[in-house]
Order: sequence, then structure tokens, then C-alpha cells
Amino acid sequence: NAGVTQTPKFRVLKTGQSMTLLCAQDMNHEYMYWYRQDPGMGLRLIHYSVGEGTTAKGEVPDGYNVSRLKKQNFLLGLESAAPSQTSVYFCASSYNPETEAFFGQGTRLTVV
Amino acid sequence: GESVGLHLPTLSVQEGDNSIINCAYSNSASDYFIWYKQESGKGPQFIIDIRSNMDKRQGQRVTVLLNKTVKHLSLQIAATQPGDSAVYFCAESGSARQLTFGSGTQLTVLP
Repeated sequence: NAGVTQTPKFRVLKTGQSMTLLCAQDMNHEYMYWYRQDPGMGLRLIHYSVGEGTTAKGEVPDGYNVSRLKKQNFLLGLESAAPSQTSVYFCASSYNPETEAFFGQGTRLTVV
Repeated sequence: GESVGLHLPTLSVQEGDNSIINCAYSNSASDYFIWYKQESGKGPQFIIDIRSNMDKRQGQRVTVLLNKTVKHLSLQIAATQPGDSAVYFCAESGSARQLTFGSGTQLTVLP
């Protein structure tokens, strides 16, 4: 079982560049989430989706956009990367907010 | 707003001893709580969950206790093993349908 797959696993960007992180899940989950994790800290919610075609802002949405065109995919975009966006990004999915969320292995992004 | 926090950032225990990791939450409307384990370089892994209509739930070597009166939950690990060394997060979900995480506790198991 693949579960939740994130691509890429590592990326280095220059300030001002753009990129898209892809999250794919094969569990038919309705809910999907994007988090960022900074050193020594917990996970902070960037955006989430409660179903295909829907998105909502989390705790730290500024500088990011998301799309959920297909139920199995949740894309996180950075239009103009900034050094403050250097972080490890985790995607997760769940059937609903009161069931276990499954996480991907993370994407380590460095913005120089 | 909603927030979840932990009492201690680090915890060291002797192998074979029991571990207790604590977590405080502030949103009285939270109705679902989860404990995750995160090993270095990996994504969080589900350990155990509990709903607000329960006080205690047991799994394999782990027990979660929920005290709604003081908005506190704890994770107890019995007979702690070296493989239990990791960062442990509590998370909560409520009416906002978001899964909110605390800052984590680093558990180190000493030989």
C-alpha cells in the first residue's frame, strides 16, 4: 500500500522562484492537509481540504496556494519563494477530522 | 483560537521504565485527540486516539488518559524500549475540522 506519497522529497529554490509540491493518497480519503514543520517545533497547518474541489485556510496560509482538482491529489504551490518558507512540508489525509490522519514522508524545502 | 501545548519539551527515561508524556489543550470544544510518534526524518505515525466521551483508552503498551475538567491528556508508555525514542505530539480536532498539533516532546530512552 502506497498510502500518502509526497513529491519531491528534497528541493532547493532561489528566492522568488515558484514550485508545486504534490501529495497523492490512495485511500479514498475526503480530508487532506498540508503542514509545515520548523526545527524543534510542531506541525502548523497551512491549508486543508474537506473534499474534491474544496480548500480552506489553516493557521499559516500566507505565501501558499492549494488546489484539489482530484480527490486523490492535493497540490501546494509557492508562487514566489522566500527564505522564511524553508521548512519540512508534510501532507496528510483522513476519512474525516475524527479519524486517524496518515502522513507522507515529507518534503524538505530550502529557499536560498 | 485553538491551541495545543505540551508541559515538557524533553523527557529521558531508563529502558524498562514507564514514560508519561503530558499535553494541555485550550479549546473546550475539542472532541477528538490523537497521539503521534515522529522518528527522525520521518512523518508522524499514529499511536492512539481518544474521543471526548471517554476518559481512558488502552493500546499495546500505551494508554491515553483524558481529563476534560482541566483540559489535559497524557500518553503512558509501559516498559519503554529504545525504539520508543522519538518526538511525541498530541493533536486535537474540534468543530473547526482542523487537526491542530502541539509542539512535541522529545523522548529519549537511556540504556
